[in-house]
Amino acid sequence: AQSVAQPEDQVNVAEGNPLTVKCTYSVSGNPYLFWYVQYPNRGLQFLLKYITGDNLVKGSYGFEAEFNKSQTSFHLKKPSALVSDSALYFCAVRDPPSSGSARQLTFGSGTQLTVLP
Amino acid sequence: GAGVSQSPSNKVTEKGKDVELRCDPISGHTALYWYRQRLGQGLEFLIYFQGNSAPDKSGLPSDRFSAERTGESVSTLTIQRTQQEDSAVYLCASSGSGGLAGGNEQFFGPGTRLTVL
Repeated sequence: AQSVAQPEDQVNVAEGNPLTVKCTYSVSGNPYLFWYVQYPNRGLQFLLKYITGDNLVKGSYGFEAEFNKSQTSFHLKKPSALVSDSALYFCAVRDPPSSGSARQLTFGSGTQLTVLP
Repeated sequence: GAGVSQSPSNKVTEKGKDVELRCDPISGHTALYWYRQRLGQGLEFLIYFQGNSAPDKSGLPSDRFSAERTGESVSTLTIQRTQQEDSAVYLCASSGSGGLAGGNEQFFGPGTRLTVL
């Protein structure tokens, strides 16, 4: 069964510094991977996805993520953090369609990112 | 409409009462998902609709939970005889043709915050 782990409940970083939010996954076959962000009292917003192709994926708001198959990771990164990036970040995964498994996303428990001014 | 909408935004009910939550997906999106997010936790999959296919109900936690969808439009999630552990934010999402099979990301609504007293 597919699963995803976000090992850090909380990440603090100073504004202007690079940020990393970690995610590791477990699926059968090649995964579909997603990052979402949730601002207070708002729904989840899609940031980026990896389906196939280049391991470095660029997304919204200057975020990027690197798919690492050997380490089964898909860490979210940004070169220079902004205070406005402070939010709850969710990694999500699903098995590829060829696996025949369920079609919903499995979400991690979330990481609260706080960017300090 | 610009995005997924949900109503009501907040619902407070008494234990044992039935509640109905509504989701309006993005026009043209054939796939619709319901998730539950308990306080401080990640998202739990509840149910998935894809076009006219039979829904995937594998995430529904009990027979008190049910959902319907009219064609490729509005969906309602019904919780009968609500319990305090049903208190959560209920999120609806939709995605384009083929749902996640094509790697399409899900677009989320703002959620309905349900409180069972």
